[in-house]
Amino acid sequence: QSALTQPRSVSGSPGQSVTISCTGTASDVGGYNYVSWYQQHPGKAPKLLIYDVNKRPSGVPDRFSGSKSGNTASLTISGLQAEDDADYYCCSLAGAFYVFGTGTEVTVL
Amino acid sequence: DEQVVDSGGGLVQPGGSLRLSCATSGFTFAGHWMTWVRQVPGKGLEWVANINQDGSEKYYMDSVKGRFTISRDNAKNSQFLQMNSLRAEDTAVYYCARFHYSGMDVWGQGTTVTVSS
Repeated sequence: QSALTQPRSVSGSPGQSVTISCTGTASDVGGYNYVSWYQQHPGKAPKLLIYDVNKRPSGVPDRFSGSKSGNTASLTISGLQAEDDADYYCCSLAGAFYVFGTGTEVTVL
Repeated sequence: DEQVVDSGGGLVQPGGSLRLSCATSGFTFAGHWMTWVRQVPGKGLEWVANINQDGSEKYYMDSVKGRFTISRDNAKNSQFLQMNSLRAEDTAVYYCARFHYSGMDVWGQGTTVTVSS
């Protein structure tokens, strides 16, 4: 049950786009279309942004989008805003269990 | 309003036990898989266990198998995590969450478990 690999940090200026990668294996990301993404601000519970690779729950802005190619999933934040400054985690089904990514700190410059 | 409220955390000695509870409201509890996720302060999220709608399917991360037991009471709209033989490495904030397809969409505020002598 090894964590999925994410970049430690990414940054961008307001209005720019950033993409966070989430790399796993054929046993998790590559094997299922069950990847989700979460945003977490300090001291707060995580918030679901994307589920089933590319679906957004109601209330999540369409600036957030998800995709997958092979064993790597990606979260793109378009039109970066100050409130997007947070930690982001991917998560994938991996057989009988779930595995989270290592987490990415997004900094809005 | 859909809500999940975690409770039951505290300070416990190594080898001890704790029972976490998760009270839910505002949605049809019996219609959803539920899960526990933990987070060591300053570290990443870690999935702990899942339970299906009627409690007949339960899954655990390897390091808690045989020590932790997930359960639910649909009549009381609640789920639980019985944690036995606790170790220092189980110290974390534990979150209860609801599954919506493959995503965890309603989260509790978290309850802190500290395992220390």
